Amino acid sequence: DAGITQSPRHKVTETGTPVTLRCHQTENHRYMYWYRQDPGHGLRLIHYSYGVKDTDKGEVSDGYSVSRSKTEDFLLTLESATSSQTSVYFCAIKATRVQGPGNTIYFGEGSWLTVV
Amino acid sequence: AQTVTQSQPEMSVQEAETVTLSCTYDTSENNYYLFWYKQPPSRQMILVIRQEAYKQQNATENRFSVNFQKAAKSFSLKISDSQLGDTAMYFCAFMKLQGGSEKLVFGKGTKLTVNP
Repeated sequence: DAGITQSPRHKVTETGTPVTLRCHQTENHRYMYWYRQDPGHGLRLIHYSYGVKDTDKGEVSDGYSVSRSKTEDFLLTLESATSSQTSVYFCAIKATRVQGPGNTIYFGEGSWLTVV
Repeated sequence: AQTVTQSQPEMSVQEAETVTLSCTYDTSENNYYLFWYKQPPSRQMILVIRQEAYKQQNATENRFSVNFQKAAKSFSLKISDSQLGDTAMYFCAFMKLQGGSEKLVFGKGTKLTVNP
């Protein structure tokens, strides 16, 4: 257990509405990630953060923004949700050698988002 | 860009038998990590095993072991004494070491069913 909590765990929203998913961690991890999982694609990186206010894009970042104003929270925002963003979203952290096997990424339980 | 290929979309095995899942990857890097993650029906992403590329010795974790062939860029997972609880999706993942901004690249997964 890497101390990761995602919220909400399930959400149904309408096309065109903004949505924010929250990832909260309690173990002071510097690196945090957002992935999405879709059938036939495995997991793909949306955005990641390497510190407070330090973020960068992943391979499928279009339509998403992120913010990290404090170490423990990494927010993923869909500014105007579309049906193609229906997916399961996973937050993840990278553990350091102090916290366990170094350079190892652990995942939260996932957030199911349906855009109708 | 790195790619990870899992050539077996689905596999099945009888309980107590041994099964091997295949994974190949493409990279020009020399310093990297390889992982196998398990995703049961609950959709939780669970780390199974981790291999550092500079280590020649194959990693083992109880009933799980890998066959890491660096020159061939192959990283297969062997599950011994298969149990019903091993039924899950299995994802192979690659992570290049790049001074902190490490990210996972996933294969598309292999669905493993363990039959009683």
